[in-house]
Amino acid sequence: EVQLVESGGGLVKPGGSVRLSCSASGLSFSHDWMSWVRQAPGEGLENVGHITNKGATDYAAPVKGRFTISRDDSKDMLYLQMSSLKIEDTAVYYCTRGSGRGPLYHFDSWGQGTVVTVSP
Amino acid sequence: EIVLTQSPATLSLSPGERATLSCRASQSVSSYLAWYQQKPGQAPRLLIYDASNRATGIPARFSGSGSGTDFTLTISSLETEDFAVYYCQQRSNWPLTFGPGTKVDIK
Repeated sequence: EVQLVESGGGLVKPGGSVRLSCSASGLSFSHDWMSWVRQAPGEGLENVGHITNKGATDYAAPVKGRFTISRDDSKDMLYLQMSSLKIEDTAVYYCTRGSGRGPLYHFDSWGQGTVVTVSP
Repeated sequence: EIVLTQSPATLSLSPGERATLSCRASQSVSSYLAWYQQKPGQAPRLLIYDASNRATGIPARFSGSGSGTDFTLTISSLETEDFAVYYCQQRSNWPLTFGPGTKVDIK
């Protein structure tokens, strides 16, 4: 069974930084594309970005240049470094696994989420 | 960016009834369309991928259809645990995008 467990969320001031972690088990982590999806309070889902199994990354426009996704395959860990945080980055952040043949991916496994609140 | 529109925004039905949810894309996404279910306080769960394939462990009462720009999620007979928010998501083009969701609530 795939398990994804996020940690590192909390209260951060605008302009601040925080690093989220995701511990993965039950999957061939080094072979998988991994992604972060966020959900602002009362809102829908937004893909933040992904990292391929080869370490290439891509990001959604609202976070590009501020967020960095990385991975440590030796520890089955995924990270999201968030910098220059804005109030609108307040959300639940989900660690997800990307799956599917062909272009890009859908999200077949999700963590329980970690809350990041950006407030003065 | 491909915009996904879901309708209706809210669907009020009784247990045992059939639910039909729609997702329309602003341009063709071929069959690269997935559906997710989200209950309050929980992470989303993948139901359907590539328009019509049920994910592992998903009951047969959930089915998906469509291609190109128009897609449908059907729940043949609603169970109590099916009352939730449903999102569609395309993986045809970057950035990946989700629809705004359809809430299925108890009438």
